[in-house]
Amino acid sequence: GAVVSQHPSRVICKSGTSVKIECRSLDFQATTMFWYRQFPKQSLMLMATSNEGSKATYEQGVEKDKFLINHASLTLSTLTVTSAHPEDSSFYICSAREVPGYTFGSGTRLTVV
Amino acid sequence: GENVEQHPSTLSVQEGDSAVIKCTYSDSASNYFPWYKQELGKGPQLIIDIRSNVGEKKDQRIAVTLNKTAKHFSLHITETQPEDSAVYFCAADPRYGGSQGNLIFGKGTKLSVKP
Repeated sequence: GAVVSQHPSRVICKSGTSVKIECRSLDFQATTMFWYRQFPKQSLMLMATSNEGSKATYEQGVEKDKFLINHASLTLSTLTVTSAHPEDSSFYICSAREVPGYTFGSGTRLTVV
Repeated sequence: GENVEQHPSTLSVQEGDSAVIKCTYSDSASNYFPWYKQELGKGPQLIIDIRSNVGEKKDQRIAVTLNKTAKHFSLHITETQPEDSAVYFCAADPRYGGSQGNLIFGKGTKLSVKP
């Protein structure tokens, strides 16, 4: 089946620095990828939709300048958390659409200290 | 927009019993309904899905039913095992088949199976 690889699985960074998270579709081409954020004991909240070769579409309330998304190829999308602060600490998950469904990455636990 | 309600939020069963989780959705245009299992610290894993042209689908101990008229769908797990313990999410896709897909998730159900 479709596999989405997400790295790193865990990252700790200092406040004010930037962190990049990668999401790769391993055995299929993903025109569209999705980035979610999940707080403890809560559901997945869509942050943005990443489209290959074009600008990402951000959900209401998500700062596009803070969460930079790049989808430069059909197999790679990246999320960069810029100038990270402790409140950005969360579990970030990517997903790729491969008909008939969606496949999720294993998630990235970001801790900002 | 689409809204997905999921119940119960927690569910505790004895090993071997059945577990049922229910979801309702609001957008009649939604036509794809997956269920995901998420273990602690991991991404969601698809366990079963159903499309709107089907009323029921079964895969071994797991089944999903869909009532489009009532806009609700349910997950049924029979002969539960301790390894079934996890958080389960239902979701609906109001744009499936279009150029842009998207999933709207329920709030999740924490299932605990006691040995």
